[in-house]
Amino acid sequence: GIQVEQSPPDLILQEGANSTLRCNFSDSVNNLQWFHQNPWGQLINLFYIPSGTKQNGRLSATTVATERYSLLYISSSQTTDSGVYFCAVDPSGNTGKLIFGQGTTLQVKP
Amino acid sequence: NAGVMQNPRHLVRRRGQEARLRCSPVKGHSHVYWYRQLPEEGLKFMVYLQKENIIDESGMPKERFSAEFPKEGPSILRIQQVVRGDSAAYFCASSPPIGAPKGGELFFGEGSRLTVL
Repeated sequence: GIQVEQSPPDLILQEGANSTLRCNFSDSVNNLQWFHQNPWGQLINLFYIPSGTKQNGRLSATTVATERYSLLYISSSQTTDSGVYFCAVDPSGNTGKLIFGQGTTLQVKP
Repeated sequence: NAGVMQNPRHLVRRRGQEARLRCSPVKGHSHVYWYRQLPEEGLKFMVYLQKENIIDESGMPKERFSAEFPKEGPSILRIQQVVRGDSAAYFCASSPPIGAPKGGELFFGEGSRLTVL
């Protein structure tokens, strides 16, 4: 089956710093989403981005489907950005059967 | 702004008891999915349902687990005779109909955390 690899596995930032999280996938996909799981366990939608670039405030994401990767950019990080960032893909054509990566654990220090 | 609603948020059961987790999808969403997150792991797909139909249950354990999405009321994930290994966070998600704009984009609830003693 499709493999989803996220890097780095762990990241520690000082408040105000920028970061880039990467998601590589081993086969073509029809859906790709980024999620943030906060320290309370809630899973929050960040982006639905099977291709192209989107921005939402301090966050932006780019998916290059032909090269099988996606990037999540966090600028001017805040302590509330801490948590685990998951990339998830659906290789089967928008079936909702997402394959999740193992996540990047981000800690933003004040 | 009614998102995906799950309850209970936390559930404690003793080995051998039954656990029932409920999920109400976003209004207008006709597709419901259940995912499980074991400690220190990512989320794994369990089952995909539409009203009164199980579409894909390839991620469900073969025994003790069942799911339904009746014509009226929430979707239910039922775990019979729970064991300690069932302790996990169970997330429900919903999506618009496939083919609709953003069909296939999943919106997750806050999860139900099951602890088996």
